[in-house]
Parts: sequence; C-alpha cells; structure tokens
Amino acid sequence: NAGVTQTPKFRILKIGQSMTLQCTQDMNHNYMYWYRQDPGMGLKLIYYSVGAGITDKGEVPNGYNVSRSTTEDFPLRLELAAPSQTSVYFCASHRPNSNQPQHFGDGTRLSIL
Amino acid sequence: KQEVTQIPAALSVPEGENLVLNCSFTDSAIYNLQWFRQDPGKGLTSLLLIQSSQREQTSGRLNASLDKSSGRSTLYIAASQPGDSATYLCAVRREDDKIIFGKGTRLHILP
Repeated sequence: NAGVTQTPKFRILKIGQSMTLQCTQDMNHNYMYWYRQDPGMGLKLIYYSVGAGITDKGEVPNGYNVSRSTTEDFPLRLELAAPSQTSVYFCASHRPNSNQPQHFGDGTRLSIL
Repeated sequence: KQEVTQIPAALSVPEGENLVLNCSFTDSAIYNLQWFRQDPGKGLTSLLLIQSSQREQTSGRLNASLDKSSGRSTLYIAASQPGDSATYLCAVRREDDKIIFGKGTRLHILP
C-alpha cells in the first residue's frame, strides 16, 4: 500500500497566485485531515473531513478551501496565496471510531514570495 | 479548549542513557493519545498509541504512559542511540475526533 500520498513535494508561489495541494490515500479511511507546520511549532489543523461530501473547519481555516468528492482524495486549495501561508503542509488519515493511528503523508513544502 | 504542552522543547543526552519526554494536556476527555516521531524534512511516524482506558504501551525500547486524571503522558526511551535523534510529538485525540498536537521535543543523542 502507498498509504497517504501528497503532491507536489515542493512549490514556490508568487503572492496572489492560487494552487491546489493534492492528497490521496488508499487505505479506505473515512477521516482525512490537513495540517500546517511552521518552524518550531506543532501541527495546526486547517480542515478535516469525516467522509465523502463532508468537510469542517479546524483551527486555522482562513485562506484555504477543501473538497471531498471521493473517499480517497482530499485536496487543499489556496485561492490567493499570501506570505503567511509559507509553511509545510501535511495530510493525514485514519479510520473513524477506532484506536488506529493516524497515517501521514511526507508533506508539501510551500513558499510564498 | 484542549491544549497540549511538551517539555522540554529540546534535549541532548549522551548515547546509552535512558530518557523521559513529557506531555501534558488540559482536558482529560480524550479518546486516545499518540506519540509520533518526525525526522527533518519528513512526515510523522506513529510510535505508540494509548487508548483512554489504558495506562501504558510498549514497543521495543519505547514505553509510553498515560495518566488521564492528571492530564499527563510520558515517553520513556531506554538505552538511547544516535538513530533516536528526531523530534517527538505528542497528540491528543478528542472525543469529537479532532487531534491536537504539542509543539514537540527535539531530541539529540550525542555519540
């Protein structure tokens, strides 16, 4: 199994540009999450989804949008990139109502210049 | 609001020593607690998961404990090795399935 796959691994954007960070998982996990990690900080939850067609805001949703049309995919969209969105973004998934661990992708390192 | 705190923020110890990393959380209504390892430039790898009804979990040289009533967890690493150098993150899963992370402890094992 590939687990959780994120693309791209690295990206540089100009202020005001838009882009979509892709995340897909092949474990049939209902729950998926997007986090951002800034230097020296823990992970902050941006958005999460408990199943296809259902999304909800986390701690830091402003400036981001998500969709969940399938169980496998959970893309994160930045509409108007700002320098404050320079960060490393992680996608994660796990089974609901279970004590199984979260599985993480390797992250997308995004710089906004 | 659930807050997760990890102490110390950074730790350097000589190879071979046993060590303890600490995690505290403010709301005891948790579903489980996980310890993760993160290597530089990489994602997170789950090390141990403790269910809210459990007191501890062990995997090899790692032992994690949980005291829900006092809002504390510890990660004990026995006979540390240079390969254990990484950032260790504690995360609490709330009963609404949101997962809250601490800021991590950067561990450096000196050869």
